[in-house]
Amino acid sequence: GDSVTQMEGPVTLSEEAFLTINCTYTATGYPSLFWYVQYPGEGLQLLLKATKADDKGSNKGFEATYRKETTSFHLEKGSVQVSDSAVYFCALTYLNAGGTSYGKLTFGQGTILTVHP
Amino acid sequence: KAGVTQTPRYLIKTRGQQVTLSCSPISGHRSVSWYQQTPGQGLQFLFEYFSETQRNKGNFPGRFSGRQFSNSRSEMNVSTLELGDSALYLCASSGPLGGELFFGEGSRLTVL
Repeated sequence: GDSVTQMEGPVTLSEEAFLTINCTYTATGYPSLFWYVQYPGEGLQLLLKATKADDKGSNKGFEATYRKETTSFHLEKGSVQVSDSAVYFCALTYLNAGGTSYGKLTFGQGTILTVHP
Repeated sequence: KAGVTQTPRYLIKTRGQQVTLSCSPISGHRSVSWYQQTPGQGLQFLFEYFSETQRNKGNFPGRFSGRQFSNSRSEMNVSTLELGDSALYLCASSGPLGGELFFGEGSRLTVL
């Protein structure tokens, strides 16, 4: 079956450091890929997405490129802030022709990021 | 517009009891999904409802059930609670372009 593997955490960085969180996936078809973020005490929020190979998703300074040849979707940010401290989840789903996922995302285990001033 | 609202936020039950959790989706969203989040298993998909019909289902025992009402509000029920059912239960809704899920803050269930 499909699966998503994220780099083991937690990750601790100083403010303004470069961030990479690795994500690789195993899929039987051609999935869409997502990064979600969960701040303390809150639900998950979509951070960025990519729906096909070579697409780059970006938001709030975060970027990730859908690499089909390496089955990867690594999350990067050039300069992290204390406010980026959260848990980051990589996920995949399949969208039908109408763009519907039928609600099912397959998530990685999550990576805890802590940024110190 | 208002986000996804889940009630109650916290609850404590004992083994063998049952529990019902409620989710109000974003206005206009007709798809509601449920997830279980635990430290050991991470985020796992329970089921998805659309227009009062279950369209998709994960690999959970029959003790976990759900329903959706005509106003798109959804409930999930867990019967005969076990200690392992302690988790954060997240509800998510999606609109016409269903790829993006909008999550609520969750209902944290503790089973003693």
